[in-house]
Amino acid sequence: GAGVSQTPSNKVTEKGKYVELRCDPISGHTALYWYRQSLGQGPEFLIYFQGTGAADDSGLPNDRFFAVRPEGSVSTLKIQRTERGDSAVYLCASSLKVPSGRDEQFFGPGTRLTVL
Amino acid sequence: DAKTTQPNSMESNEEEPVHLPCNHSTISGTDYIHWYRQLPSQGPEYVIHGLTSNVNNRMASLAIAEDRKSSTLILHRATLRDAAVYYCILRDGGSNYKLTFGKGTLLTVNP
Repeated sequence: GAGVSQTPSNKVTEKGKYVELRCDPISGHTALYWYRQSLGQGPEFLIYFQGTGAADDSGLPNDRFFAVRPEGSVSTLKIQRTERGDSAVYLCASSLKVPSGRDEQFFGPGTRLTVL
Repeated sequence: DAKTTQPNSMESNEEEPVHLPCNHSTISGTDYIHWYRQLPSQGPEYVIHGLTSNVNNRMASLAIAEDRKSSTLILHRATLRDAAVYYCILRDGGSNYKLTFGKGTLLTVNP
């Protein structure tokens, strides 16, 4: 079946612009996660949704970052007034049910964001 | 999440077994040991996980030390497609949802 998809695959923007990154999770997966991966580093947690609500947004670096999941499926990560330091690969993952220590997260291919 | 320690890089030859080590000396009794890998230009993918007993699946085997302070991911016959960064991650068995990645081990497979 279809995996997690993310669009666009690449996004180049200018400093100060607004960007939206989209994630389509696997159908039926109630849990959705956003991570950010800088060059040479492992992914870092940003936010976790269970259904429509953000259960934990403690990883969002500042108030320029915001994410929504209005219908409990597709999610959009929004970045306002982009800065060069926001350049990274943004990864989305989903999992089937309420997470536990045993569940498997399925990752999308990521969106590579470059801020000039 | 408790911290894990992995070598920065390892090298293997194609069709030979690979043993990727992970130390987690501060593991708690409810922590599951997870392994993910990330192929070039792709998102991470789940490999295997375990709690106390050794585990096998179609991708790999996971050997867990008796005191659980270390584990080893075993790829029985490395292929070129197994070249990736391998991450060892501890997850609490309760409601711990996020994966806390370190830098992982970069595995190079030589033809």
